[in-house]
Amino acid sequence: GQNIDQPTEMTATEGAIVQINCTYQTSGFNGLFWYQQHAGEAPTFLSYNVLDGLEEKGRFSSFLSRSKGYSYLLLKELQMKDSASYLCAVRDHGVDSNYQLIWGAGTKLIIKP
Amino acid sequence: KAGVTQTPRYLIKTRGQQVTLSCSPISGHRSVSWYQQTPGQGLQFLFEYFSETQRNKGNFPGRFSGRQFSNSRSEMNVSTLELGDSALYLCASSLEEGVETQYFGPGTRLLVL
Repeated sequence: GQNIDQPTEMTATEGAIVQINCTYQTSGFNGLFWYQQHAGEAPTFLSYNVLDGLEEKGRFSSFLSRSKGYSYLLLKELQMKDSASYLCAVRDHGVDSNYQLIWGAGTKLIIKP
Repeated sequence: KAGVTQTPRYLIKTRGQQVTLSCSPISGHRSVSWYQQTPGQGLQFLFEYFSETQRNKGNFPGRFSGRQFSNSRSEMNVSTLELGDSALYLCASSLEEGVETQYFGPGTRLLVL
């Protein structure tokens, strides 16, 4: 079946580093997205990985290992505004040749001063 | 470029009624996807439209339907509302089908009493 797992909630300190993990099981993996969603707002795109390795974008980096079905989002120099939910989504190529996004339930990140 | 717009932003209905939600994608985007988001459930995929055709459908009952117009605007309809339909309904647009990076609207918050 198709499944995506993320921790429900994490807490970190302002200025520190936090790693949010995402593991997935899909039949036709074709890329992984990370989105950020502040409370009461719509999700916004953070990163996209389709090949193994690390993609760095400022304070945020995303890593993918396709053989392990594993990704992480790394946030450095945490700021209070980083308090949000982080959603992992996998693009899956289904048996009917259509793509669809399968979403994890999200990780709520709480930043403390 | 204007972002994805959704109307109305808030809606209160009673059980048994029906509701129509509207989404206008980013100019030039031809794919529109709809999601239901409830606390603890994450994003649940409803359907995706491209070129006025439904390309993908999630596991929702037939009470949930949608359509897309020639200008890529999309509507979603829910008939015979149930209490459990209370949720945030998000629309996301992307350039092409096949789930490229999606850009979300602010959502319509539906409360069913």
